[in-house]
Amino acid sequence: GENVEQHPSTLSVQEGDSAVIKCTYSDSASNYFPWYKQELGKRPQLIIDIRSNVGEKKDQRIAVTLNKTAKHFSLHITETQPEDSAVYFCAASNVGKLIFGQGTTLQVKP
Amino acid sequence: KAGVTQTPRYLIKTRGQQVTLSCSPISGHRSVSWYQQTPGQGLQFLFEYFSETQRNKGNFPGRFSGRQFSNSRSEMNVSTLELGDSALYLCASSLDRGYQETQYFGPGTRLLVL
Repeated sequence: GENVEQHPSTLSVQEGDSAVIKCTYSDSASNYFPWYKQELGKRPQLIIDIRSNVGEKKDQRIAVTLNKTAKHFSLHITETQPEDSAVYFCAASNVGKLIFGQGTTLQVKP
Repeated sequence: KAGVTQTPRYLIKTRGQQVTLSCSPISGHRSVSWYQQTPGQGLQFLFEYFSETQRNKGNFPGRFSGRQFSNSRSEMNVSTLELGDSALYLCASSLDRGYQETQYFGPGTRLLVL
């Protein structure tokens, strides 16, 4: 069935360093790949997304890359700040149904 | 615009009871999806409604059902509650103009089954 694998499950970095989270999806029909950030006790919030006809997208300190052939996509956060600490979820979608990865807990140490 | 709202925010039920949760999407959004979030299983897709019709369904038992009204508001129902149904239930709405668009999440309903 449809599945999204996300790694690592936890990630600890020093403030100012970069963080990379990787996801692999199984459904080749997936064509939309959002990333959500969820702070403790809050709802998931979209931080960036990419569609299957694009290989890379950047928004300030956040970038996402997609390799459709390998069914891999990754989130890159540069110049991390303490407020980036949260759980990050990747997802893959094919019309209305988001399949989420298991989440990565990112801790940014000041 | 007001965001996605969900009621109630917290709920305590006992095994065997049933529960109905409500979701009001962002104005103009016609697609509503429901997800179950637990520490062990993460975020799992329950079902999606579009124009009052269930368009997608996840791998949950028939005890989980939903519906959507003509104003796009949606409800989900869980019958014969089990302890394992304790979770945060999130709904999300999107515009859906014929292609996958951003899903905006509500604050969730935290259900505790005793």
